[in-house]
Amino acid sequence: GNSVTQMEGPVTLSEEAFLTINCTYTATGYPSLFWYVQYPGEGLQLLLKATKADDKGSNKGFEATYRKETTSFHLEKGSVQVSDSAVYFCVPSGGSYIPTFGRGTSLIVHP
Amino acid sequence: DTAVSQTPKYLVTQMGNDKSIKCEQNLGHDTMYWYKQDSKKFLKIMFSYNNKELIINETVPNRFSPKSPDKAHLNLHINSLELGDSAVYFCASSLNMGTAEAFFGQGTRLTVV
Repeated sequence: GNSVTQMEGPVTLSEEAFLTINCTYTATGYPSLFWYVQYPGEGLQLLLKATKADDKGSNKGFEATYRKETTSFHLEKGSVQVSDSAVYFCVPSGGSYIPTFGRGTSLIVHP
Repeated sequence: DTAVSQTPKYLVTQMGNDKSIKCEQNLGHDTMYWYKQDSKKFLKIMFSYNNKELIINETVPNRFSPKSPDKAHLNLHINSLELGDSAVYFCASSLNMGTAEAFFGQGTRLTVV
């Protein structure tokens, strides 16, 4: 089945710092790739997605590029805010795959 | 309108009790899920239903019994609650199986005392 390896958290940054959360995937074929975000006390929500190689997903200042050659889908943001503090999950899709989320990466942004 | 709604949001109960959590989606999706999130934020699939049929039943104690009266509803009943059942339970839905594009409810924080 499809799976991901996501960097362990917590990632702790100061406001306006550059963010990278690494995600590499293992899959048969070419899955769609998703990043989800879970703000404190809330359910998960889709942040961005990419459906094929070299696609770039973007939303709320976050970006991730589907890189087939490195099987990666790293999440980046140029300048984080305190309100970005949340848990981020990288998820591959495809086939009869049931969405598997794992532990995610916790991001803490200090003022 | 809330796309995926689950009730209650908070549930505090004593060991040994039986409780239910309800979930409804108004998105017209075929597939619904229950997930359990522990205190370390690990989110684990419990059950998956597609068009009211059970598809996935992970290694969950049989005290947990999902019921899907129609494809818009997936309820979770838990018998003989134990301390270790304390967690946040999330309901989710997706258009169909095979996509990881899912929509989540707000979660039910279950505390067993």
